[in-house]
Parts: sequence; C-alpha cells; structure tokens
Amino acid sequence: QVQLVQSETEVKKPGSSVKVSCKASGGNFRNNAIHWVRQAPGQGPEWLGGIVPIFGTPNYAPKSQGRVTITADESTSTAYMDLSSLRSEDTAIYYCARGIAAAGPFDSWGQGTLVTVSS
Amino acid sequence: EIVLTQSPATLSVSPGERATLSCRASQSIGTGLAWYQQKPGQAPRLLISGASTRATGIPARFSGSGSGTEFTLTISSLQSEDFAVYYCQQYNKWPPNTFGQGTKLEIK
Repeated sequence: QVQLVQSETEVKKPGSSVKVSCKASGGNFRNNAIHWVRQAPGQGPEWLGGIVPIFGTPNYAPKSQGRVTITADESTSTAYMDLSSLRSEDTAIYYCARGIAAAGPFDSWGQGTLVTVSS
Repeated sequence: EIVLTQSPATLSVSPGERATLSCRASQSIGTGLAWYQQKPGQAPRLLISGASTRATGIPARFSGSGSGTEFTLTISSLQSEDFAVYYCQQYNKWPPNTFGQGTKLEIK
C-alpha cells in the first residue's frame, strides 16, 4: 500500500503562490499516478490534475489550466502542486492521491494540506 | 465535462436498516465509477471501483451497481461507523475526473 505524506498548513496573501508537496513511500513511484484534489469548506472534492512520473506530462482540469503546475521528482519520490495568483476562493484542503490507473480511482490519499488565502 | 448528480443530498436512516444512494452521470461512463466515504477531518476513502468492485478491506455490506448513467451504492445494514458523507467519482472520460456533490448519511 502506497503511503502519502503532505507538507504542512500554509497561510498566503492574495496574489501570491503556494507549493504543496506529497512524498510517497511503498510501491513504485515512477509508475504511480499521483493526482491533486481540493475540497473547499463544506464542498465536494474537486480534481485539479494528475501526473504519472514515468510519462512526465501532467493532465489538468480545464479550470486549473494556467494556474496549477504539477511536477514529480523521482529522486525523492515526491510530487508537487504549485498554485499561483491565489485568491480567497482557493482556500481549501488540498489532497494528493494515488490513482490505481492513470485516470483513477484513488486508493491512497495524503492527510491533506490546509491552504488559507487571506489578506 | 461529465456532471455527476447525487441524490438525495441528505438521507436519514436508522442503524440496522438499508441505505440506498444514487449517482447519475450526464452522459454514459460505462462502469468507470467509484464511491468514496468521507468522515469529518479525514480524507475520502475508496469503497467501490468499477461501479461494483469493493476495495480492499471494505465490508460486504457495501455494494455498488449500475452502468452507463445510473449508479447505486447500497449499505445493507447500517452500522454506527457508516454515518458519513458519500461521493461518487467518474474516471471513464477524463480529463477531468469529476465528483458528485455528495450525499450525507445521517442517523434517523
């Protein structure tokens, strides 16, 4: 079973950027799809994008395109999600999750990283 | 983009009774549907994939059915630990993956 450990809580100003990390252990990082999902307070999950490190090219949700950048560092088995031009509506818990296949479903999840955007 | 509509938004059921949750897709997704359970302060947990296959360690009282555009999650005899929010997710036509808005299962 793959285990995913995410970086800590972040508080950011509007207009700035945040980078959340997700370190994987167990399994073969290169072949695992790592996805990013966020959940605003009281809302359902929203898929942001995903990457299979061995393929290299991420896939993004249309709404994420342009502000979200997903990368993977095979040397440290760590995936990253970078969100730019932050606004208050980006306040949410951000999760990484492993896809059983490239598209999903997601059988292992990180513990979540709370990102708060506030002036 | 595939839109998933879950019903009802809230379901009140007594422990020991059966709960039936629905998920409708805006277009056919075959059996590329998963169900997740989420409790407060926790990440979602995968229950069902491929519309009907239980994930590892999921009790047999959870079952999924359906294909195309209509899907159902049934919990045969509710235990106290089953009261939570349930989400469906489609991964057949992506990107993007999409989730439903959730059904809150509460104690009657």
